[in-house]
Amino acid sequence: QKEVEQNSGPLSVPEGAIASLNCTYSDRVSQSFFWYRQYSGKSPELIMSIYSNGDKEDGRFTAQLNKASQYVSLLIRDSQPSDSATYLCAGGMNTGFQKLVFGTGTRLLVSP
Amino acid sequence: EAGVTQSPTHLIKTRGQQVTLRCSPISGHTSVYWYQQALGLGLQFLLWYDEGEERNRGNFPPRFSGRQFPNYSSELNVNALELEDSALYLCASRGGSYTEAFFGQGTRLTVV
Repeated sequence: QKEVEQNSGPLSVPEGAIASLNCTYSDRVSQSFFWYRQYSGKSPELIMSIYSNGDKEDGRFTAQLNKASQYVSLLIRDSQPSDSATYLCAGGMNTGFQKLVFGTGTRLLVSP
Repeated sequence: EAGVTQSPTHLIKTRGQQVTLRCSPISGHTSVYWYQQALGLGLQFLLWYDEGEERNRGNFPPRFSGRQFPNYSSELNVNALELEDSALYLCASRGGSYTEAFFGQGTRLTVV
């Protein structure tokens, strides 16, 4: 099992809908989780970090962490065409130095 | 505060040549990650440096190497360039375990 797994998509949602992006992780990953957005040809940019079970909201974005089920998700409310991008999930490994590992990303397409 | 800076932004090299890419982390960040991203594909982990030490290496041949300097800047060297080395090379810096990583704008390498 890979450390962090994501469905590659594409996930297609209409403008104004809620986009739900999911990520599962292995026993080798814990403690800290991050969501990044990457537009085509650009570098990833950090959207949110989450460390504790539950929800964390920032504007239209909500990150959810469930350590018992080993998944982390990102909800995007009122999706806009400008949200169309690849979303990368990342987590810190359970090693002494907490290596950061990334999923392969989910492509989101928001149609007008 | 300056973000992660990479140089050069674009580079064209001939097959068989050698190239050096550079990364300056955010001030105070001691950890640097290098990734390769071929067109349309996900991030491929190359190297991880922390406090001047190589902590981990991805599944790449030995002609990919690097180092981290006392000021925590880093360079990635690729010898004997091959056509398939054409990609976006991304550097990310991190301030420590459990913290977010931030990416530079990347270096677009084209091997002809």
